[in-house]
Amino acid sequence: IAGITQAPTSQILAAGRRMTLRCTQDMRHNAMYWYRQDLGLGLRLIHYSNTAGTTGKGEVPDGYSVSRANTDDFPLTLASAVPSQTSVYFCASSLLGERGEQFFGPGTRLTVL
Amino acid sequence: DQQVKQNSPSLSVQEGRISILNCDYTNSMFDYFLWYKKYPAEGPTFLISISSIKDKNEDGRFTVFLNKSAKHLSLHIVPSQPGDSAVYFCAASVTGNQFYFGTGTSLTVIP
Repeated sequence: IAGITQAPTSQILAAGRRMTLRCTQDMRHNAMYWYRQDLGLGLRLIHYSNTAGTTGKGEVPDGYSVSRANTDDFPLTLASAVPSQTSVYFCASSLLGERGEQFFGPGTRLTVL
Repeated sequence: DQQVKQNSPSLSVQEGRISILNCDYTNSMFDYFLWYKKYPAEGPTFLISISSIKDKNEDGRFTVFLNKSAKHLSLHIVPSQPGDSAVYFCAASVTGNQFYFGTGTSLTVIP
C-alpha cells in the first residue's frame, strides 16, 4: 500500500441497506477525514478523527458514522442508505498540527437507488 | 451556508497564457488557505498553500495571492499548460486541520 486506499471503487446500493466504505493509509498520519463531493457543493466534511480512538462531526454528519480503532483505518458506515447519500466519497489523512496538506484517496462512487 | 465560494464554475484559457482562479470566503477567522487540483476519477492533490501572515506564495508556475481585507484569494498559473486542465478547489481553515472547501472551478487549457 502506498498512500491512501479506498474500497470499493464504486457501489450501487438499494435504499435502506447498510454500507461500509473502507479507508486505509500507510503514512502513519494521525488525522483522517471523510468528505463527500457533490456537483455545485464542492467537498464537504462528514466526519474526522484527530487520533486513534477519537472522532468528531464535520459539516454533514447525519446518516453517517465512523470509527477509528487504529491509526491506519477509518471506515465510514451508512446504517440505512438513502438516495440523497448518492455521492463520491473521499477519505483523506494528514499530520495533526501540520499546517499542510491533506492527502486524498481515489474516492468511492456510491449510488443509492 | 457556503463559507468558501468559487463563483466561476469553469474557465478556458489558451496555452501559454495566464490562468487566474478566484476564491472568496466569509469567515474572517480563516487563517490558512490551500489550493487543490483534481483530475477526473482521482482524489484531489495538494497544489499550494498560504498562511494569513503572507499575501503571496509562489511555487514554480503557481502563485497564490491573499487579500485579507477583501476576504479573497486567487491562484495564478503562468504559463498555462494543457496538463493544467483539471478542477481546482480552494480550501480554508481556522485550526489548520478542518478545511472548508469551495465548489471548484474547472479549468480547460486549450492547446
